[in-house]
Amino acid sequence: DAGITQSPRHKVTETGTPVTLRCHQTENHRYMYWYRQDPGHGLRLIHYSYGVKDTDKGEVSDGYSVSRSKTEDFLLTLESATSSQTSVYFCAISESAGGGTGELFFGEGSRLTVL
Amino acid sequence: AQSVTQPDIHITVSEGASLELRCNYSYGATPYLFWYVQSPGQGLQLLLKYFSGDTLVQGIKGFEAEFKRSQSSFNLRKPSVHWSDAAEYFCALGSARQLTFGSGTQLTVLP
Repeated sequence: DAGITQSPRHKVTETGTPVTLRCHQTENHRYMYWYRQDPGHGLRLIHYSYGVKDTDKGEVSDGYSVSRSKTEDFLLTLESATSSQTSVYFCAISESAGGGTGELFFGEGSRLTVL
Repeated sequence: AQSVTQPDIHITVSEGASLELRCNYSYGATPYLFWYVQSPGQGLQLLLKYFSGDTLVQGIKGFEAEFKRSQSSFNLRKPSVHWSDAAEYFCALGSARQLTFGSGTQLTVLP
């Protein structure tokens, strides 16, 4: 299994509080992704990174920011959490871009509940 | 814009029966297509992928998929389903830097 660790795995927070989810990889892969998974929507891309300090927005980036200061870590931050951000968040990594080999390796997910 | 449609939200089959999960895509160029599987409480795992060449691709766990450009489809098949195949299945379309996923098909396998 690919070495991907997400933390925390479960979190309950209140509306308006900041939240940071961490993705740590030991594979030295260049590309890292944050997805959210919601019933009926599959996985939707929030942000992705194609290198250290290189990030771009996905289709549902509003309300989220990311940072990647080193290859192994990709942080997802909700500056002020809202109930609509209750979801399961998945980090993924790949050696090449999504349209390349296309094989993403996924973490086990972080379940976030915003009350 | 690219998109992926999985028209079946939920499919139920009996163990040993054949399976076909549908996937349609919209994309202006030659697509890179994938099928992923998600077991409960887990992340996604790649089953198979299509880039070019033979339109029938083989994957892990006995799955195969056929690319049909004329129908913009990439359907997943298995000739005989096992109880352990119960999971959610996602079709995905690859572009320059990202994958776009369909909304998924939940597979239930009856004994």
